[in-house]
This record gives sequence, structure tokens and C-alpha cells, in this order.
Amino acid sequence: QVQLQESGPRLVKASETLSLTCTVSGGSISSYYWSWIRRPAGKGLEWIGRVFSSGTPIYNPSLKGRVTMSVDTSKNQFSLSLSSVTAADTAIYYCARVAPTSINIGTNWFDPWGQGTLVTISS
Amino acid sequence: QSVLTQPPSVSGAPGQRATISCTGSSSNIGAGFDVHWYQQLPGTAPKILIYAITHRPSGVPDRFSGSKSGPSASLVIAGLQGEDEAEYYCQSYDSSLNDWVFGGGTKLTVL
Repeated sequence: QVQLQESGPRLVKASETLSLTCTVSGGSISSYYWSWIRRPAGKGLEWIGRVFSSGTPIYNPSLKGRVTMSVDTSKNQFSLSLSSVTAADTAIYYCARVAPTSINIGTNWFDPWGQGTLVTISS
Repeated sequence: QSVLTQPPSVSGAPGQRATISCTGSSSNIGAGFDVHWYQQLPGTAPKILIYAITHRPSGVPDRFSGSKSGPSASLVIAGLQGEDEAEYYCQSYDSSLNDWVFGGGTKLTVL
């Protein structure tokens, strides 16, 4: 049973960079696509981006320019960096695996998900 | 404002049936893209409940069913049980935004 766990600072200062890591256990990170998704307080879920063990990540156009995602296969982890953060980036951040294995953007879903981690942006 | 519109809350008595709607547009659900549903129990991670409109993953009771018509989709929960109290989200793909999109979530209360 694949499990995902987010880790990283819970409090980030405005204008700085938010950095999170997702550790994958119970299975290999290779051969799958992985995503970050967030839920700002009082709002719905927002997809942030996806990354494969190799190749170019794809980001939500609304966040492009501030987002960087990468994979470390040796540690079975993938990461998220979000630069120049503001209060609007305060959210619960989830990591998730894209299902099924191949990318067919009109049909993909997310399974499983990590528990999520609340990141607060402070002024 | 989420791209997919869900009612903020739905309620029903035990044993009754609840329906959660997910309304999109011609660039997402109406364009023929799949709809998926997630259940998030209090304090837990979201879990896939229905994928590809109507398919239930192994372990999901057949009390949960999904459907789609035009730009909208629905999740039906038959024979409501207390353990069904959770937040439910729909998800699809939007070709105008070029990204995967979600509904705002619906909180189901079992009275």
C-alpha cells in the first residue's frame, strides 16, 4: 500500500519561498506521475502541478513562474517550491499520485493522497 | 470561486438518499472529460470514491454511484450511514485553463 507524507516548514514569511517534500513509502516513485494540490482556507482544491521521475514538470498556469517541482528517485521523494509567497498562499498542501500510470489529462485522477500539511504565510 | 460548482452542504437522514451535484461548462465536464469524486473524512486525506464518472475502486460500497449528463455530474449516496459524514469533491479537466480542476466541496451531514 503506497503512502505519502508531506514535510516542511509550517510557517513561511511573506515574499520568501515555501518548500515542501513528499516522501513516498510502500512503492517506487519511478514510473508514476506525482502532483501537489492545495486547499486555501475557505476555498476549494487547487491543482498546483505534476512531475514525473524524468522529464519536464507541468504547472498550473496561474502559478507558473513561481512554482518548481522536482523528483529525487534515490530518496523516493518529490518536492515543491513556491516563491514570492503571500497570504493568499496560506493553505493545506497535499501531495498525491496521479492515476492511472499514464497521462491522459482528460481522464486522470489522484490516488492516493498524503494527509496534508497546513502552511501559513506570515507578514 | 471554483471552476466546478458544488452545493456547500447537503443533508439527509440515515437510510435516505443524498445527491451531490457538480456543475461545469463546455470546457470541462461538457467537453466530455471524465469526472471523479473524492471523500474526505474529518481529519483524513481525500480518498478516491468514484473515478471515470461511474467506477468504484475496490472497497467502496455500491451505495455510492456516479453519473454525468451534459456539463454536470452527480454523486448519489444511497442508504445514508453516519460514517458517510464527510466532505465530497468532484474533479475534472478544463481545456481552457489547461489544468485539472476541482469543485468547492460539499459537506454531507447525516441527521
